[in-house]
Amino acid sequence: GAVVSQHPSWVICKSGTSVKIECRSLDFQATTMFWYRQFPKQSLMLMATSNEGSKATYEQGVEKDKFLINHASLTLSTLTVTSAHPEDSSFYICSAEGGRANEQFFGPGTRLTVL
Amino acid sequence: GENVEQHPSTLSVQEGDSAVIKCTYSDSASNYFPWYKQELGKRPQLIIDIRSNVGEKKDQRIAVTLNKTAKHFSLHITETQPEDSAVYFCAATLNAGKSTFGDGTTLTVKP
Repeated sequence: GAVVSQHPSWVICKSGTSVKIECRSLDFQATTMFWYRQFPKQSLMLMATSNEGSKATYEQGVEKDKFLINHASLTLSTLTVTSAHPEDSSFYICSAEGGRANEQFFGPGTRLTVL
Repeated sequence: GENVEQHPSTLSVQEGDSAVIKCTYSDSASNYFPWYKQELGKRPQLIIDIRSNVGEKKDQRIAVTLNKTAKHFSLHITETQPEDSAVYFCAATLNAGKSTFGDGTTLTVKP
């Protein structure tokens, strides 16, 4: 089946620094990728839709200048959390649409802890 | 936008019993309804899905039913086993692939 990887799997950083998370589709091309955030014991909240070669579409309430998304190729999307603060600590998961229509394949997630 | 409600939030069953989780959605344009199982600290795993042109789908011990008129869909797990214990999420998806997730159901199967 389709495989999506994420890097890093976990990261700890100081408040005020920026963190980049990569999402790759390993064996298929994904024109659309999605970025989610999941707080402990909560559901997945869609942050943005990443489209290859165009600007990302952000959900209401998500700051596009704080969460920079770049989808430079059909296999790679990156999420950069700029000037991270402790409240940004969360589990960030990407997914890529591939195969059957609308079916999403999730990456393993990145656990971000901001001190 | 789409709104998905999922019930119950927690469910405890005895091994061998059946478990049912229900979701309702608000946007009639949603046409793809996946169910995911998520274990602690891991990614969601698709366990079954159904599209709007189908009313029921079954895969071994797992089945999903969809009532488009009432805008609700349900997950049925029969002969539950301890390894079925996890958090289950339903989702409703529009054509663009954008999914809205339910709040999740923590299923505990007691041996």
